[in-house]
Amino acid sequence: KAGVTQTPRYLIKTRGQQVTLSCSPISGHRSVSWYQQTPGQGLQFLFEYFSETQRNKGNFPGRFSGRQFSNSRSEMNVSTLELGDSALYLCASSIGEGQPQHFGDGTRLSIL
Amino acid sequence: QKEVEQDPGPLSVPEGAIVSLNCTYSNSAFQYFMWYRQYSRKGPELLMYTYSSGNKEDGRFTAQVDKSSKYISLFIRDSQPSDSATYLCAMSRILTGGGNKLTFGTGTQLKVEL
Repeated sequence: KAGVTQTPRYLIKTRGQQVTLSCSPISGHRSVSWYQQTPGQGLQFLFEYFSETQRNKGNFPGRFSGRQFSNSRSEMNVSTLELGDSALYLCASSIGEGQPQHFGDGTRLSIL
Repeated sequence: QKEVEQDPGPLSVPEGAIVSLNCTYSNSAFQYFMWYRQYSRKGPELLMYTYSSGNKEDGRFTAQVDKSSKYISLFIRDSQPSDSATYLCAMSRILTGGGNKLTFGTGTQLKVEL
């Protein structure tokens, strides 16, 4: 069974640009969550999507947004990139609430 | 104060040792408790998943949850060099609108030496 797939694996952008990251969940998983991982803050929750609707949101500015498609694939967008947005962005999928989340290997975003 | 506290280490042990990793938390609403292992340049890999208090064993790994003390542990028996990684504890609860979000500890870096 294929795991969570995230593309691209690495991205280099400059300040002010925008970026879109993609996540394909495990087949049958309808919940997709996004997390930001940095050395200073660790893993922090960005948002969760279920059946194409954002169900929960973390404490991140509105520059961070996402969406989910009917096939459960999800994208995350960050606009007006800042140096502090450099991080590993992780996607996790689960069958539903109360069920374990399984992570992809992430997209490493570097802002120059 | 963070909701979940975890000693970042690093923790260095000889091969074959029993490793004990711990987290404490402050939110009594947490119901689900997980341990993830993360190798360098990889995403977190789910090791153990438990609901409420109690013990769970899977091979060389044992997870313990003590909700009365707000304390969870992961024990690794007969540790191997391949166990060298960062171990993250995570917890969650069902949110009002449904769904769940994980709250993570900072992770403990473990090195198992030959």
